[in-house]
Amino acid sequence: SQQGEEDPQALSIQEGENATMNCSYKTSINNLQWYRQNSGRGLVHLILIRSNEREKHSGRLRVTLDTSKKSSSLLITASRAADTASYFCATENSGYALNFGKGTSLLVTP
Amino acid sequence: GAGVSQSPSNKVTEKGKDVELRCDPISGHTALYWYRQSLGQGLEFLIYFQGNSAPDKSGLPSDRFSAERTGGSVSTLTIQRTQQEDSAVYLCASSPGLGEKLFFGSGTQLSVL
Repeated sequence: SQQGEEDPQALSIQEGENATMNCSYKTSINNLQWYRQNSGRGLVHLILIRSNEREKHSGRLRVTLDTSKKSSSLLITASRAADTASYFCATENSGYALNFGKGTSLLVTP
Repeated sequence: GAGVSQSPSNKVTEKGKDVELRCDPISGHTALYWYRQSLGQGLEFLIYFQGNSAPDKSGLPSDRFSAERTGGSVSTLTIQRTQQEDSAVYLCASSPGLGEKLFFGSGTQLSVL
């Protein structure tokens, strides 16, 4: 099965700065999704980008997808302390369950 | 309910005992997933159910693990003869269909002593 790999594993920035996280995967996908996890419990869906899309925006989030490089990036602009969390990418291919990476731990300090 | 509900929230058990973890998905969601997350790690896929199709059990780590979904709704994950390495947070998620976004429960923290 395939798996997304996030990079970096950990990221520390100050409030107001932008945070960029990357995800690479191994085989073709139908879509790629980003999730956020606070305090090691349930994940919250952030954004879904389909294989025929290159960029999507949602509020302060911007996701890009490059299927030729099998990679995606998540940009959080003007970060806030409340953005402190772990961020996971997940890939979907027909007939298989979502496959998650190991996540990027983001710390935003005031 | 409005979201995915998991019970219990926390479970402490002794090595060798059996445990059952329950998941109530969002009404109408046809897909249901179980994942496991060890401390500081990513999500490990265990099993998923899609409608009336046979479940994908390819992620179950051993035959001590099993799951069922009754009536296309509630699901129970059973771990027999628990081992210390089974200690983790067990997360359930549901979605309207395969390939769509997942809605997660808050998880069950399992501790095997």
